[in-house]
Amino acid sequence: DTEVTQTPKHLVMGMTNKKSLKCEQHMGHRAMYWYKQKAKKPPELMFVYSYEKLSINESVPSRFSPECPNSSLLNLHLHALQPEDSALYLCASSLTGLTTFEQFFGPGTRLTVL
Amino acid sequence: AQTVTQSQPEMSVQEAETVTLSCTYDTSENNYYLFWYKQPPSRQMILVIRQEAYKQQNATENRFSVNFQKAAKSFSLKISDSQLGDTAMYFCAFSTGGFKTIFGAGTRLFVKA
Repeated sequence: DTEVTQTPKHLVMGMTNKKSLKCEQHMGHRAMYWYKQKAKKPPELMFVYSYEKLSINESVPSRFSPECPNSSLLNLHLHALQPEDSALYLCASSLTGLTTFEQFFGPGTRLTVL
Repeated sequence: AQTVTQSQPEMSVQEAETVTLSCTYDTSENNYYLFWYKQPPSRQMILVIRQEAYKQQNATENRFSVNFQKAAKSFSLKISDSQLGDTAMYFCAFSTGGFKTIFGAGTRLFVKA
């Protein structure tokens, strides 16, 4: 299984809602990533988990809260988002947190904040 | 600071022809890794090819090959026998092996029938 899955595929939420994005991989990878991608732009790194510990937080606003319950699962909890947070949210994983290895990307969750 | 520059925002190529996408980068590191990722419309991003800076030999994966010029800090991607399925956004990416990968702005490639 060489797949990273993400749910939901699409999400529409109001600025007062609380929602969560989910990412899963069963490749035995020990590093997982959250990226934000605007249309026609490259992915922007948000968070990196390595061996289930948060290793990088790219100064992301606290309305985004990551969680890594186990080595296969990564969540992104959303609360009080702004319209400018509307984007494609990509999850990725790699064998380790060393980016000498390729990253495997999920299909993304397309988030719209009203 | 490390940077990756893709100077061609959009390109098009006729099916079955060859196209080259440009990428330059800037770093003071001697050992690093370079990647080309492909993101088709509404589909997930996948790795096309990977190059280790300490290897002089250019990486090749089927119809995809790179021209790695370390001194010039250039890492171009050549796609031979272009197919309609090659239509995608292509990102050049750079890593020194830490947690971060630096992506270029991307080149949108259209393959015409």
